[in-house]
Amino acid sequence: GNSVTQMEGPVTLSEEAFLTINCTYTATGYPSLFWYVQYPGEGLQLLLKATKADDKGSNKGFEATYRKETTSFHLEKGSVQVSDSAVYFCALSETSGGSNYKLTFGKGTLLTVNP
Amino acid sequence: AAGVIQSPRHLIKEKRETATLKCYPIPRHDTVYWYQQGPGQDPQFLISFYEKMQSDKGSIPDRFSAQQFSDYHSELNMSSLELGDSALYFCASSSWTGYTGELFFGEGSRLTVL
Repeated sequence: GNSVTQMEGPVTLSEEAFLTINCTYTATGYPSLFWYVQYPGEGLQLLLKATKADDKGSNKGFEATYRKETTSFHLEKGSVQVSDSAVYFCALSETSGGSNYKLTFGKGTLLTVNP
Repeated sequence: AAGVIQSPRHLIKEKRETATLKCYPIPRHDTVYWYQQGPGQDPQFLISFYEKMQSDKGSIPDRFSAQQFSDYHSELNMSSLELGDSALYFCASSSWTGYTGELFFGEGSRLTVL
């Protein structure tokens, strides 16, 4: 079945540091890939996505490139801010039959950015 | 823009009681998904509906049931509640038309079982 493996946290960085959160996946077909972010006490928000190989998703300074050859979708940001402190989930979406899709999530990585 | 609406946002129940969570998808979205997120865990897929029919089933306990109504809203019914059911329950919706795999999530309903 499908699975997502992401870097275990927690990750603690100083403001303006470079961020990488690794994510690799296993899928039988050609999934879409996502990063979702969950701020403390809140729901899941889509951060960025990529729907095919070599696509680069980007948003709010975050980037991730869909690498089919390495089955990876690593999240990066050049300079993190305190407000980026949250849990980050890597996820893949693939059809589960007919017109239905569902997301499979990684375990999540807690990021804390200190001033 | 309208988002996925979930109610109630917080719910406290005793063991063996019943709880019902409601989800109102984004207008014109035809698919609804339910996820359960335990403390410090990743969201786990429970069940989904497409055009009011169950389309997929995940790790949903037999004590739970769900349905999607003619107006596309969905309800998750949980009976004989156990302490382990305490979690954040997310509803998400999507549209088959032009679908890219993205699910739009509500803010969740936090269930606490005492």
